[in-house]
Amino acid sequence: DVKVTQSSRYLVKRTGEKVFLECVQDMDHENMFWYRQDPGLGLRLIYFSYDVKMKEKGDIPEGYSVSREKKERFSLILESASTNQTSMYLCASTELKNSGNTIYFGEGSWLTVV
Amino acid sequence: GEDVEQSLFLSVREGDSSVINCTYTDSSSTYLYWYKQEPGAGLQLLTYIFSNMDMKQDQRLTVLLNKKDKHLSLRIADTQTGDSAIYFCAESKDAGNNRKLIWGLGTSLAVNP
Repeated sequence: DVKVTQSSRYLVKRTGEKVFLECVQDMDHENMFWYRQDPGLGLRLIYFSYDVKMKEKGDIPEGYSVSREKKERFSLILESASTNQTSMYLCASTELKNSGNTIYFGEGSWLTVV
Repeated sequence: GEDVEQSLFLSVREGDSSVINCTYTDSSSTYLYWYKQEPGAGLQLLTYIFSNMDMKQDQRLTVLLNKKDKHLSLRIADTQTGDSAIYFCAESKDAGNNRKLIWGLGTSLAVNP
């Protein structure tokens, strides 16, 4: 059974803290994504990566960075968390360029910044 | 622009059919997807349709694609309370070395007993 695993389901962090959100996939997918989901705004792409050590900015990269040191792992980093980063974060993965690819999502990480 | 639009809410009675609609803007989109998100969970793929098809059926799900009007619909037959969720429409198109997904905001389906 294919799996995208987000290590933390619920986190509460203080303003200014550094936050790591980890995501691991077991499907040997090239592409990995980080989205945030907010009510009324749908899914917004923060960053994606199409290979190890490669990353590209999505639509809302400000305040975030990412790391892809191994193919299976894609980390989202909030260098200095702020209250407007309180959100649900979704990791996803897919094969690089194949017809009709399914995009597989993790269960989501709920981050509250206080 | 790159917009995928869906109505935000739909309420149906258990046993009725649900029809969730979506419009997209890019006629070069290759695949169109329907994803389901249950409360507190990630998204799971329900079904997808390739742009050269006009219909796809999978058990209780029927996807209709009108390419001329750039309109996609998802019909759920015999809707059950377990179908209550948010349904996302997405279009996929090639973007150089990669694929870009454009997401709708999601339709929240409420199924009443």
